[in-house]
Amino acid sequence: RKEVEQDPGPFNVPEGATVAFNCTYSNSASQSFFWYRQDCRKEPKLLMSVYSSGNEDGRFTAQLNRASQYISLLIRDSKLSDSATYLCVSHSGGYQKVTFGIGTKLQVIP
Amino acid sequence: DAGVIQSPRHEVTEMGQEVTLRCKPISGHNSLFWYRQTMMRGLELLIYFNNNVPIDDSGMPEDRFSAKMPNASFSTLKIQPSEPRDSAVYFCASSREEGYGYTFGSGTRLTVV
Repeated sequence: RKEVEQDPGPFNVPEGATVAFNCTYSNSASQSFFWYRQDCRKEPKLLMSVYSSGNEDGRFTAQLNRASQYISLLIRDSKLSDSATYLCVSHSGGYQKVTFGIGTKLQVIP
Repeated sequence: DAGVIQSPRHEVTEMGQEVTLRCKPISGHNSLFWYRQTMMRGLELLIYFNNNVPIDDSGMPEDRFSAKMPNASFSTLKIQPSEPRDSAVYFCASSREEGYGYTFGSGTRLTVV
């Protein structure tokens, strides 16, 4: 089983829709989590950190469920510019314990 | 802030040739990482340095790969000899300290023919 699992998608959603991605992690010792965004043929960029209490940044909300070992990313009022791959990252202490998921591809359609 | 700078952006080389990828981390960041990304395997950590010292190179595929960080502002990843299966995008990233997110360079797209 992979340490961080994501549905690779693609998720095709109409503009204005709300979309949610889940990411499961297998290491119960994971301490912190992040979502990165990667545009086609570009580098990953940090989107937001995920806190136990949840984290909201504009149209984006990240949640952590430690009991079920998953994190989620909710995007409200999707824009065409949200089209990208979203990478889930878990960190279980020490730089060598940073694990990236394969990414979930989102395509927002006009 | 110039960000993490990688060169070259693209590299096409013949099998058996030596390839050197270069990276300049963000000033003040004390950790540097080399990642490889492919469609099949996603992002894989190859090696990371902390304060210019290699800490974990367990992700380096084999002896054909080597990495150095002679000072805080420069690192290289070398593949010798290169093989077609090394074709991938190689990213360098730096971080201020553990627990903070990484800043990635724009990557080097390597094609070995």
